Amino acid sequence: RKEVEQDPGPFNVPEGATVAFNCTYSNSASQSFFWYRQDCRKEPKLLMSVYSSGNEDGRFTAQLNRASQYISLLIRDSKLSDSATYLCAVNNAGGFKTIFGAGTRLFVKA
Amino acid sequence: EAGVAQSPRYKIIEKRQSVAFWCNPISGHATLYWYQQILGQGPKLLIQFQNNGVVDDSQLPKDRFSAERLKGVDSTLKIQPAKLEDSAVYLCASTPLGGTNEKLFFGSGTQLSVL
Repeated sequence: RKEVEQDPGPFNVPEGATVAFNCTYSNSASQSFFWYRQDCRKEPKLLMSVYSSGNEDGRFTAQLNRASQYISLLIRDSKLSDSATYLCAVNNAGGFKTIFGAGTRLFVKA
Repeated sequence: EAGVAQSPRYKIIEKRQSVAFWCNPISGHATLYWYQQILGQGPKLLIQFQNNGVVDDSQLPKDRFSAERLKGVDSTLKIQPAKLEDSAVYLCASTPLGGTNEKLFFGSGTQLSVL
């Protein structure tokens, strides 16, 4: 079983739609959780950290469910510019190394 | 603030040849990471440095890959000899301290094609 798993998609949605991605992790001792965005042929960039209480940044909402070991990302009112790959990342205890999922591809259509 | 610098941007080599990549992290960042990202996959950690010491190299194929960060600043990653399956983007990242809540700052990466 992979340490971090994501549905690769692709998700094809129209502008204005709401879309949600899930990510599961296997290490129950994981301490920190993140969503990164990666545009085609570019490096990953942090979209948002994920906190136990859930957090929101504009149209983006991230949630963490420790009991079920998954995190989610909700994008409301999708824009064309949201088209990208969304990488789930988990930082494990001990070595502090960040493990990435394979990413979920999103295409937003006009 | 200058970001993470990597070079070269692209490299094409034949199998069994050697190649080296260079990375200069953000000034003052103690922790440096090398990730390998194969097309369609997420970044995979190869090695993590804290200053000039190795913290984790458990997924580095040590029979052909080596990395160093001698002065605790810039770093080189070498592959010798390269195989076809090494074709990937090699991403360097840095963080100030290497703590669990720190976000990674990535360089633009080096795209390696092994023919």
